[in-house]
Amino acid sequence: EVQLVQSGAEVKKPGESLKISCKGSGYTFTSYWIGWVRQMPGEGLEWMGIIYPGDSDTRYSPSFQGQVTISADKSISTAYLQWSSLKASDTAMYYCASMSGSPYYFDSWGQGTLVTVSS
Amino acid sequence: QSALTQPASVSGSPGQSITISCTGTSSDVGGYNYVSWYQQHPGKAPKLMIYDVIKRPSGVSNRFSGSKSGNTASLTISGLQAEDEADYYCSSYTSSSPLYVFGSGTKVTVL
Repeated sequence: EVQLVQSGAEVKKPGESLKISCKGSGYTFTSYWIGWVRQMPGEGLEWMGIIYPGDSDTRYSPSFQGQVTISADKSISTAYLQWSSLKASDTAMYYCASMSGSPYYFDSWGQGTLVTVSS
Repeated sequence: QSALTQPASVSGSPGQSITISCTGTSSDVGGYNYVSWYQQHPGKAPKLMIYDVIKRPSGVSNRFSGSKSGNTASLTISGLQAEDEADYYCSSYTSSSPLYVFGSGTKVTVL
């Protein structure tokens, strides 16, 4: 069974950096794309980007390109989403999700990581 | 790339059937058979309900079905149950950036 376990909730101040994680298990982590999805409070889902852990090929949504960095450490089956300088508008729930069935849909999701940015 | 268009809300009584539409363009919904649907209960992570327009993952009730005509995809829930009350999002692969796009979301209410 595919499982994605995300790191815990974070409370940060504007301008701080942050890296959240998503550990995969139950499948060959290096063989399938894994992505990140943002959900702002009371809003819908937004596709941020995906990474292929096997070779670190990464694709970003233009809305998030340059705002976040997606990476992966295949040795520990973990994907990351990081910010160098957080803004209040980054306050949201962030989900990781895998594409272990096909590269055209997210078939397994992490539990979500709530990021709160407030002074 | 704008979000795919969904109705904000759809409601129905227990046992009825409802249909949620998802309208895009020929660059996404109309151009590929890569439409998926997700169910999200409050405070929970999304769950895949339909993929490749019409396919159901193992474990998903056969009361859920998908279809597509032109640039519009649809999710039908038959025999509506209280547990179906949730938000539903469509998604599609797109030939233009950002590769994938979600719909605006539809809140399903069971009356």
